[in-house]
Amino acid sequence: EVHLVESGGGLVQPGRSLRLSCAASGFAFGNYGMYWVRQVPGKGLEWVAYIAWNSGNIVYADSVKGRFTISRDNAKNSLYLQMNSLRHEDTALYFCTKRAGNDFYFDYWGQGSLVTVSS
Amino acid sequence: EIVLTQSPGTLSLSPGERATLSCRASQSVTSTYLAWYQQKPGQAPRLLIYGASNRATGIPDRFSGSGLGTDFTLAISRLEPEDFAVYYCQHYGSSFPITFGQGTRLEIK
Repeated sequence: EVHLVESGGGLVQPGRSLRLSCAASGFAFGNYGMYWVRQVPGKGLEWVAYIAWNSGNIVYADSVKGRFTISRDNAKNSLYLQMNSLRHEDTALYFCTKRAGNDFYFDYWGQGSLVTVSS
Repeated sequence: EIVLTQSPGTLSLSPGERATLSCRASQSVTSTYLAWYQQKPGQAPRLLIYGASNRATGIPDRFSGSGLGTDFTLAISRLEPEDFAVYYCQHYGSSFPITFGQGTRLEIK
C-alpha cells in the first residue's frame, strides 16, 4: 500500500525558511515523478512544484519560483521542499503527491503538513 | 495557462439523487488530460477519474466522467451519504502549469 507522510511544517516568521520532507513507501519511489501541492485552509488546490524520477526535470509554479526548491533522495525514498523567503500567502497545507505513471495527474496524496507564516 | 471553472459552486441534493458537476476549460483541452478528485473534510484529495472518463482503482461505478473540448462532467448516479464532499477538476496536460478548478461543494439537502 502506498504511503506518503509529510513532516517539517510549523509556524515561521515572514522572510524565514522551512524545509518539508515526505517519506514514501509501498511503491518504487525512484521510478516516479513527485509533486508538492498546497491548499490554503478552506480554499482550493494549487500545484507548487514537480520533480521527475531522476531529478532531470524540475518545474515550479510562478508563485514560488526563485524561493522554493524541490529535491529528492531516491536512496532514502524521500521528497523535499526547501522554502525560503516565506510570505504570509505561503500559509497552507502542503501535500506530497505521486505522479501516476506517464501522466501528470496525482494518484496518491499524503495527509499534508501545515505551514503557517506569521509574525 | 488553462483556467478551469467549476459549476455550480454548491450543489444541494438528497441521498439517492443524481449529481451532475461541470468543469469548463478556458481553451480546448485534450480529454486525456482531465482528472477529478474528491476531498472530504480533514482529508487529502482522492483521485476519482483520470483521462476524463476512466475510474481510478477502487472507485464505485456510480461515479462517471465525460466530456471533450472545453466541457467536462462528473456524474454520480445515486448519491450515497459518503459522497457529500468537495470535488475538484484538474488539467494536467503535457506542459505546465497544472491547474485546478475552484471546486464544487456537494452538500446534503
